[in-house]
This record gives sequence, C-alpha cells and structure tokens, in this order.
Amino acid sequence: DVKVTQSSRYLVKRTGEKVFLECVQDMDHENMFWYRQDPGLGLRLIYFSYDVKMKEKGDIPEGYSVSREKKERFSLILESASTNQTSMYLCASTRPNQPQHFGDGTRLSIL
Amino acid sequence: GENVEQHPSTLSVQEGDSAVIKCTYSDSASNYFPWYKQELGKGPQLIIDIRSNVGEKKDQRIAVTLNKTAKHFSLHITETQPEDSAVYFCAASNSGAARQLTFGSGTQLTVLP
Repeated sequence: DVKVTQSSRYLVKRTGEKVFLECVQDMDHENMFWYRQDPGLGLRLIYFSYDVKMKEKGDIPEGYSVSREKKERFSLILESASTNQTSMYLCASTRPNQPQHFGDGTRLSIL
Repeated sequence: GENVEQHPSTLSVQEGDSAVIKCTYSDSASNYFPWYKQELGKGPQLIIDIRSNVGEKKDQRIAVTLNKTAKHFSLHITETQPEDSAVYFCAASNSGAARQLTFGSGTQLTVLP
C-alpha cells in the first residue's frame, strides 16, 4: 500500500513565523503535490513537483514556496505565516497514469 | 483554467436508498475524472475514476457516468450504508492523474440508519 506521511497532524504557529510542512512518500513516486482544503472550496493546488528540484506553481502559490531535495520528500514553506493561511494542508503523490494518493493532512492554525 | 462545480453540498439519505452527486466541468479537454471519499480526520481516498473514452464505470455499489457533450459526470451509490457517510469530492484533469487535478467543492453525505 502507498504510504504518504505528513509529519504533523496539528500545528499552531504565530503570525510572521517561517513554517515548514513536511511530506514523505514510500513508493518512489515521481510526482508530489501540496493542496490546501477549506470548507466550501474543496482542495486547491498550491505547488507540485515532477522530479527532484523541479517545481511548478498551482492555482494559489502566493505566500508559499516548496522544496524537493530528495525524491521521497516534498516540503511546503510558509515564508511569513499570516492568519489567512490557517487551513488544512494535504500532500499527495503519484506516478504517471496512476491516481493521486493523499496523506491525512496537517491542520495548521496561525495565531 | 478548469472549473469544476459540484452539487449538492449536503445530502441525507435513508440507509438502503441511492445517492447521486453531480459535477460539471468547463474545460472540454479534460479527460480524467476521479472521485474521492474523505472520512473525518483522514485524507481523501480514491473510490472510482473514469477516463473520457468511457461513458460509465461500475465497482460493486458505486458507479460513475460521464457525459462529455454536456460536460458533466455523476457518482451513484446504491444500497447506501452508514459507513458511506463522508465527504465526497469530484475532480477533473486534462492530462491525467499525474498532473493537476481541479476539485469540486465537496458533498457531505449522511446515511441515516
């Protein structure tokens, strides 16, 4: 079974802090994704990556950056956290022509 | 870009009845349509998907239909059970699952015992 692990289930940070969300997958998947989930808005794509050191902007990249130094790990970075970034963050991974597999999410609160 | 609309936002059915959730998409180039189920405290899990060269796909109590002309697709759950209660998301992509998925806003399905 594919395992996508997000390092924290719950995280509380303060406005202006630099925040790191980590995601690790164990299936040697080429593609990895970061989404945010908000009530009534579904899942919105922040960034995705096709390979190590590769990244592409999704629909809502403002205020975020990503890092993919190793194939199995994809990090989402909030450079200076703001209250409007309080949300559920979901990581997913896949290989070509396969469905996306999701982690269980990190619920992030910015105070 | 792609826009996916999902209806209804909430749906309550009696156990044993059928449930139908509908989605419309805007990009005629979309060719891959997955459905995800999200239980409380968990990430979304794929339950069924369909590609644009197929009009219908069935897996036990779950079926998906696709109308490319009208640009809409639907999830049908028959003989609903309490464990079907969850949030369901539809999605669309014009380049398969490995690329960008655009998600609908979700449907909270409650199956009443």
